[in-house]
Amino acid sequence: QKEVEQDPGPLSVPEGAIVSLNCTYSNSAFQYFMWYRQYSRKGPELLMYTYSSGNKEDGRFTAQVDKSSKYISLFIRDSQPSDSATYLCAMTRGSNYKLTFGKGTLLTVNP
Amino acid sequence: EAGVVQSPRYKIIEKKQPVAFWCNPISGHNTLYWYLQNLGQGPELLIRYENEEAVDDSQLPKDRFSAERLKGVDSTLKIQPAELGDSAVYLCASSLGRGTSTGRETQYFGPGTRLLVL
Repeated sequence: QKEVEQDPGPLSVPEGAIVSLNCTYSNSAFQYFMWYRQYSRKGPELLMYTYSSGNKEDGRFTAQVDKSSKYISLFIRDSQPSDSATYLCAMTRGSNYKLTFGKGTLLTVNP
Repeated sequence: EAGVVQSPRYKIIEKKQPVAFWCNPISGHNTLYWYLQNLGQGPELLIRYENEEAVDDSQLPKDRFSAERLKGVDSTLKIQPAELGDSAVYLCASSLGRGTSTGRETQYFGPGTRLLVL
């Protein structure tokens, strides 16, 4: 079993839909949780960063972390065609440790 | 502020040839990472530097891969000789590094070098 599991999709939604992306993990030592967005042929771009459990909102994006269930989510409200990309969850124990990524979920938002 | 810079962006070589990738991290970032990303997968760490010291190279295939960060800033990743299975995207990332404030572990990625070995 991989440390981080993420459904690769693909996920296709109409413009304006609410999108839910999820990851599960097995290592209880993970403390920092991130979501990266990766457009085709580009490097991953940090989207959301969360420390420990809780919610964080930034515009149309909300990140949730439930450490008791080892489950993290990213919600995108009012999705736009420009949101079409691969979304990677990532997590780490801290600044002295590597990031462990999920496989990424390919999202397409159709106009 | 400039982001992480990588070159070249694309490289096509024949198997058994050597290849090198270059990375310039964000100014002031002490920690530098090289990741390998295969198609349809998330990035996987190859090596992590704290300044000029390689502190985690456990995933680096040392028989053919080498890396250096001589002055604790720029870094070079080399493959010699390249194999067909090395075709992938090689990503460089950087972060502030050790410290007590949250956010120092946040990693910022460059655009990557897309390698094709024929």
